Amino acid sequence: QSALTQPASVSGSPGQSITISCTGTSSDVGGYNHVSWYQQHPGKAPKLMIYGVSNRPSGVPDRFSGSKSGNSASLTISGLQAEDEADYSCSSYTSSRSPYVFGTGTKVTVL
Amino acid sequence: EVQLVESGGGLVQPGGSLRLSCAASGFTFSSYEMHWVRQAPGKGLEWVSYIDSSGNTIYYADSVRGRFTISRDNAKNSLYLQMNSLRAEDTAVYYCAREGGNGYNFDYWGQGTLVTVSS
Repeated sequence: QSALTQPASVSGSPGQSITISCTGTSSDVGGYNHVSWYQQHPGKAPKLMIYGVSNRPSGVPDRFSGSKSGNSASLTISGLQAEDEADYSCSSYTSSRSPYVFGTGTKVTVL
Repeated sequence: EVQLVESGGGLVQPGGSLRLSCAASGFTFSSYEMHWVRQAPGKGLEWVSYIDSSGNTIYYADSVRGRFTISRDNAKNSLYLQMNSLRAEDTAVYYCAREGGNGYNFDYWGQGTLVTVSS
């Protein structure tokens, strides 16, 4: 099972919006509405930001939103803030014998 | 408050074994599916293994199948990962993670334990 493809880095200025893509196949992202997104600050554990493509857990700001089209999912951060600078990874359920796969990860920089 | 605390990491020689533990608290451990996820230094997250709430259904990543064994003890609120035939490429921080109630995601994570495989 290959990792889902994400851009290595995305940057934006405070207040701007950025979008991180997560590209898979019809066996994972495209086949199920089971895409989730994780934020990870350096040296810290990942934190769930989006589940089920577009659902936010309690406590996650509504600046974070998720969507999916075909074999690609996206995480959008609106009104970018300094504390949003972190690594972001997507994950999807898959039809393979190893049923979960993560993305390659994206470093978000706030300029 | 949900807490997951991993332990058991350390330095081990190639071909060696190590057993990781994850102590859970703040929720009904026996009702939740659990996972191990790892992250090699400077790399992305890699899903490793899954076990359902009863321990009857288990899955592994291709990279560890046949070498790693996941298990749990619901009476002790603990999750385990027995790692045998360790390789240099198994070097990583290993996280235990709870599967979210809505399924197919990881809603709580431990702080991780570092496993280094080197001679």
